[in-house]
Amino acid sequence: QQQVKQSPQSLIVQKGGISIINCAYENTAFDYFPWYQQFPGKGPALLIAIRPDVSEKKEGRFTISFNKSAKQFSLHIMDSQPGDSATYFCAATVVTGGGNKLTFGTGTQLKVEL
Amino acid sequence: DAMVIQNPRYQVTQFGKPVTLSCSQTLNHNVMYWYQQKSSQAPKLLFHYYDKDFNNEADTPDNFQSRRPNTSFCFLDIRSPGLGDAAMYLCATSGPRDRYTDTQYFGPGTRLTVL
Repeated sequence: QQQVKQSPQSLIVQKGGISIINCAYENTAFDYFPWYQQFPGKGPALLIAIRPDVSEKKEGRFTISFNKSAKQFSLHIMDSQPGDSATYFCAATVVTGGGNKLTFGTGTQLKVEL
Repeated sequence: DAMVIQNPRYQVTQFGKPVTLSCSQTLNHNVMYWYQQKSSQAPKLLFHYYDKDFNNEADTPDNFQSRRPNTSFCFLDIRSPGLGDAAMYLCATSGPRDRYTDTQYFGPGTRLTVL
């Protein structure tokens, strides 16, 4: 019930194209959905996050779309650039009273080609 | 800049030889987490501290322990590293218990090699 499913596992996009990564969850108690970007040899960095009472959030070229009834959310990267090549993890969290415990998706390795 | 710092960045140890990894933070966050991340996998939570309260994940092996002497520092001790413990170890912190800003900030990680 704590699982977050993420697809695709890997993605190749041409420069300037749109990258789309999808996630789905089962646990309706999740109440915060962050996306993390991780470059090789680095720690994950928060990219963008959304609350379940919002259907869409946009920050620059990055947009999260959230469908509460379907229990799905997705990351769209517009005008993808080679510098966006990284691994992207969706995550979901429930505040437990002792810190928030992140449940990560399995990750998507994005490569943006010239 | 406020940040999460991990030392060392790379650690090589021998099979069975105890090792300690260090994490410090200047964010003054009250929660600190330790994750294990193996190649091409998502980070896996080992345990976390909420202030001084230690919270162990049910599937974290006894071989892994942690200490938090003060707000700024947290240590990960691996008592008898096995070959399967070779991984990236990530420290993260989060702040006040506001669910909408309770974001985890990750350090750069320590890459552990076990020979």
